[in-house]
Amino acid sequence: QVQLKESGPGLVQPSRTLSLTCTVSGFSLTSYGVSWVRQPPGKGLEWIAAIWSGGSTDYNSALKSRLSISRDTSKSQVLLKMNSLQTEDTAMYFCARFPFFAYWGQGTLVTVSS
Amino acid sequence: DIQMTQSPSLLSASVGDRVTLNCKASQNINKNLNWYQQKLGEAPKLLIYYTNNLQTGIPSRFSGSGSGTDYTLTISSLQPEDVATYYCYQYNSGPTFGAGTKLELK
Repeated sequence: QVQLKESGPGLVQPSRTLSLTCTVSGFSLTSYGVSWVRQPPGKGLEWIAAIWSGGSTDYNSALKSRLSISRDTSKSQVLLKMNSLQTEDTAMYFCARFPFFAYWGQGTLVTVSS
Repeated sequence: DIQMTQSPSLLSASVGDRVTLNCKASQNINKNLNWYQQKLGEAPKLLIYYTNNLQTGIPSRFSGSGSGTDYTLTISSLQPEDVATYYCYQYNSGPTFGAGTKLELK
C-alpha cells in the first residue's frame, strides 16, 4: 500500500539549514510527484515545494530563495533543504503524494531554537 | 499567486445539522479544487477531489460543488466524528490551501 514517511533532525538552530527526507513505498517517484507541506503549531497548511514525476520542481514563491527539493529514485526518497532557518519555520512538516494529496505521511516536527 | 478564502473560519453546529463550508478563489481555478479534513494531531485526509468527487471510503454525507471561483463543501447530517478543521486546496496554478474552517459541536 502507499506509504510516505518523513524523517528529520527535530531541533535546528536559527540560521542553520534544515534537511528533511521523505521515504515512500507502494509507488514509484517516476510515476507520481511528491510535495512538502508544513503547519506551524495551531495554524493552517502551507504548501512549500514539489517535485513532479518527471523531475521538474516547483516552489512556494515566498520561500523559493531558501529551498531546494530533489529526489533519489533508487532509494525512493525525496529530499528537502531549507536554509537560513528562523523561529517562524517551527512547524510540522508533511510530505504527500502530489498534486492531489491523497496520501500523506504522519509528519515530522521541526523546532527552530537555540 | 491564487489566494483561497474560506468562510466561516469557525462554525458551530449541532448533530444532524446540514453544514455548508465555503471557499473562494481569487481567480478561476477550473474546478481544480480538493477538500481535506484534519483532526487534531493527524495528517489531513482527502474528502473530495476535483470539486465534487467523493474519495473512496468517505461517507456519502460529504459532498462538494462549485465552479469558477466559488466552491462549497456540504455535510448533509453532521456527526460527532466530523469535528475537525476543513481545508480547501487549489491545484490549478501554484498550489495553495485555504486558511481552514474549524467545525465544532454546538
